[in-house]
Amino acid sequence: EAGVAQSPRYKIIEKRQSVAFWCNPISGHATLYWYQQILGQGPKLLIQFQNNGVVDDSQLPKDRFSAERLKGVDSTLKIQPAKLEDSAVYLCASSPGLAPYNEQFFGPGTRLTVL
Amino acid sequence: AQSVSQHNHHVILSEAASLELGCNYSYGGTVNLFWYVQYPGQHLQLLLKYFSGDPLVKGIKGFEAEFIKSKFSFNLRKPSVQWSDTAEYFCAVNAASNTGKLIFGQGTTLQVKP
Repeated sequence: EAGVAQSPRYKIIEKRQSVAFWCNPISGHATLYWYQQILGQGPKLLIQFQNNGVVDDSQLPKDRFSAERLKGVDSTLKIQPAKLEDSAVYLCASSPGLAPYNEQFFGPGTRLTVL
Repeated sequence: AQSVSQHNHHVILSEAASLELGCNYSYGGTVNLFWYVQYPGQHLQLLLKYFSGDPLVKGIKGFEAEFIKSKFSFNLRKPSVQWSDTAEYFCAVNAASNTGKLIFGQGTTLQVKP
């Protein structure tokens, strides 16, 4: 089966610019996650969707980050305006459902560099 | 707040050496525990997981991990590493909630010399 797709793979922007990332989860997966992985650290959950509803966005910096999953399939994560400390790999993951025993499948990530 | 600590940031071993990577978490309640691996140029993938039952769990590629509740630990082991085990390893915890939210450790880079 096809895995989690993400685009773009790499993005370089200047601070104060806007950027958007796209994620297409595995077909049929109801739960979608966005993680931020800063160099030298583990992934940190930004936001979690169940279908098109938000389950957890407690660690999303809502003054500059936004995410949506309008039709319960694809998702976009936006940063506006970007700061230097947003430089990181943004990972999308999906799983069949909310329960923790469901394995999360990760995409290749988008590496963002903010200059 | 929950946190996960991995003791070793960078481990270098020769082939056939034994491996143990430490992982400790801070959470007093019931937890689900995971080890993920990221091989060079590949996605993060699940290595093994613990939910309940036998505290010694076996995963793919000969890896195993032991859950010691009294020590809040979930160390990863492999008796004999291979060059192909070179990767970054992440321990993760879920607080047995009704969501799949994972808290990851900072990761350990394993380099196996042929």
